[in-house]
Amino acid sequence: GAVVSQHPSWVICKSGTSVKIECRSLDFQATTMFWYRQFPKQSLMLMATSNEGSKATYEQGVEKDKFLINHASLTLSTLTVTSAHPEDSSFYICSASDIAGQLNTGELFFGEGSRLTVL
Amino acid sequence: AQSVAQPEDQVNVAEGNPLTVKCTYSVSGNPYLFWYVQYPNRGLQFLLKYITGDNLVKGSYGFEAEFNKSQTSFHLKKPSALVSDSALYFCAVSENTGGFKTIFGAGTRLFVKA
Repeated sequence: GAVVSQHPSWVICKSGTSVKIECRSLDFQATTMFWYRQFPKQSLMLMATSNEGSKATYEQGVEKDKFLINHASLTLSTLTVTSAHPEDSSFYICSASDIAGQLNTGELFFGEGSRLTVL
Repeated sequence: AQSVAQPEDQVNVAEGNPLTVKCTYSVSGNPYLFWYVQYPNRGLQFLLKYITGDNLVKGSYGFEAEFNKSQTSFHLKKPSALVSDSALYFCAVSENTGGFKTIFGAGTRLFVKA
């Protein structure tokens, strides 16, 4: 149980285009989803926290207009990188938590990550 | 604010030897502590957690961790390392303040040599 699916795994796009990454909880209701960014050989940087049906909470320094997060249902959150530039190239990882539900144990369940390369 | 430190960028150990990956934390309340493992170009996999109870926590793949409140540490251990244990390990801490915002350490790369 507690499977999180992230799609696409790899994406290459041209500078100036937008890219959408999906994160789905397959067998539980994810009341909260988190989006992380990971640079090579570095730790995970929390970008934002999204709760179903409300606006995402962005961490300091993260541009909310560039990284649009939508959590419209209990099983799906999306991250859209708008007007992508080469410096946005990174490994993006989503995770989900079922805080109020059956799982309620605090650990995060991660997607497999999406590697974005902006040319 | 919560924080977590992993003082070693890399740990090298011979196969069959015990391994320890260090982690210290700082929280204002009661900590929820976790270890995750990451293989190349993959997401993170949960290994084990401490929330309450026995200070020695056993997890996946033979790993265990010991919660030490006085030293604010949560070191990851394994009695006998395998080459397949080579990966990137993250310590993480959360506080239950109405939401589980999780902060990760910088990560420690474990190399197990045959």
